[in-house]
Amino acid sequence: AQRVTQPEKLLSVFKGAPVELKCNYSYSGSPELFWYVQYSRQRLQLLLRHISRESIKGFTADLNKGETSFHLKKPFAQEEDSAMYYCALSGRTGNQFYFGTGTSLTVIP
Amino acid sequence: EADIYQTPRYLVIGTGKKITLECSQTMGHDKMYWYQQDPGMELHLIHYSYGVNSTEKGDLSSESTVSRIRTEHFPLTLESARPSHTSQYLCASSRFGTGGRDTQYFGPGTRLTVL
Repeated sequence: AQRVTQPEKLLSVFKGAPVELKCNYSYSGSPELFWYVQYSRQRLQLLLRHISRESIKGFTADLNKGETSFHLKKPFAQEEDSAMYYCALSGRTGNQFYFGTGTSLTVIP
Repeated sequence: EADIYQTPRYLVIGTGKKITLECSQTMGHDKMYWYQQDPGMELHLIHYSYGVNSTEKGDLSSESTVSRIRTEHFPLTLESARPSHTSQYLCASSRFGTGGRDTQYFGPGTRLTVL
């Protein structure tokens, strides 16, 4: 069963426009949600995690348990935001770590 | 400098060969992971380890094996490579955090092609 769903494989927005990358999850219990990012020719790295409730590079994400969503948002997209974004879920134990299929974000100048 | 290293970065090999993908970390982390990722697809956890002499299979069935003799080293071995093993393999590590939910740090990956 798909634990993490990212419905958009590709997403293009203009520079300065708001951007939202969608993530929905399926898990019974209390998961922890993450967003990872992979810039061109760089390795996968953590962008933010819901437990920290922080804003990184202008991005925020709120865990909505009712809608089982963890959408990533930024009010004004920048060209340097162009990258591959993965939503991930961690369950109670170390073997329960699931990634979504990723969304490729392109910010058009 | 604390980092995660994977070698080789690229490997093209013939069917039937035995191969070992190396992963080392100088992060001081206890937990290590191997993921498999096909192009445009999600990452799948194939092996993980909580520490020395601890290895477990992940969600995705894999014909590979791993070992953890030293904290910093977590090699993955394929006894007989097949074209179906062609993929990208990512190694990651994390601290031994409460509830197993620590942030994972990834290596640069090994892109394996089996002809």
